[in-house]
Amino acid sequence: DQQVKQNSPSLSVQEGRISILNCDYTNSMFDYFLWYKKYPAEGPTFLISISSIKDKNEDGRFTVFLNKSAKHLSLHIVPSQPGDSAVYFCAASLFAGNTPLVFGKGTRLSVIA
Amino acid sequence: SAVISQKPSRDICQRGTSLTIQCQVDSQVTMMFWYRQQPGQSLTLIATANQGSEATYESGFVIDKFPISRPNLTFSTLTVSNMSPEDSSIYLCSVASANYGYTFGSGTRLTVV
Repeated sequence: DQQVKQNSPSLSVQEGRISILNCDYTNSMFDYFLWYKKYPAEGPTFLISISSIKDKNEDGRFTVFLNKSAKHLSLHIVPSQPGDSAVYFCAASLFAGNTPLVFGKGTRLSVIA
Repeated sequence: SAVISQKPSRDICQRGTSLTIQCQVDSQVTMMFWYRQQPGQSLTLIATANQGSEATYESGFVIDKFPISRPNLTFSTLTVSNMSPEDSSIYLCSVASANYGYTFGSGTRLTVV
């Protein structure tokens, strides 16, 4: 039973346009959500997070939106750059900093110049 | 954020042998986790490494196959024992703290032949 789902295995976007990566979760007890970016042969790199008490968090080109009633979050990247091409993982935690993360399967983003 | 040094970065091993992966953190952290990423898959939690006590394993993972040590608050090892080709994966350690959030090592790419 997958508690964190990323239903799009891949996404292709033109440079300069918006990339929207989606994530759904089933466990309503999750209270902290994170997005990681991963290149091959490297560990995941933290991008942005959001607490369940918020519905939006923004950091530069990256914005994460959380819709708790729908158990859905999304990552927006604007504008998309070729260097953003990587696999993006959505992750969730029951209690930030004290429990392990549960990951989705990832979405491979390709930004085309 | 905390900085993790994970070794080795990659290895090719003969089936039936064992490999020990090390993670050194530059600060004391309470929670350390070990994950596995099989080819094309998500990150799956193997176990939570507790300092001063036995590790807590997730369903499908057992101590005889993946023994873990956590001698202090900055260091942990994961051993992959009696390896088979199905153990070929990327293994990652991660730490969590209230101050630093979640940080990952760079990963160990294991190939079993």
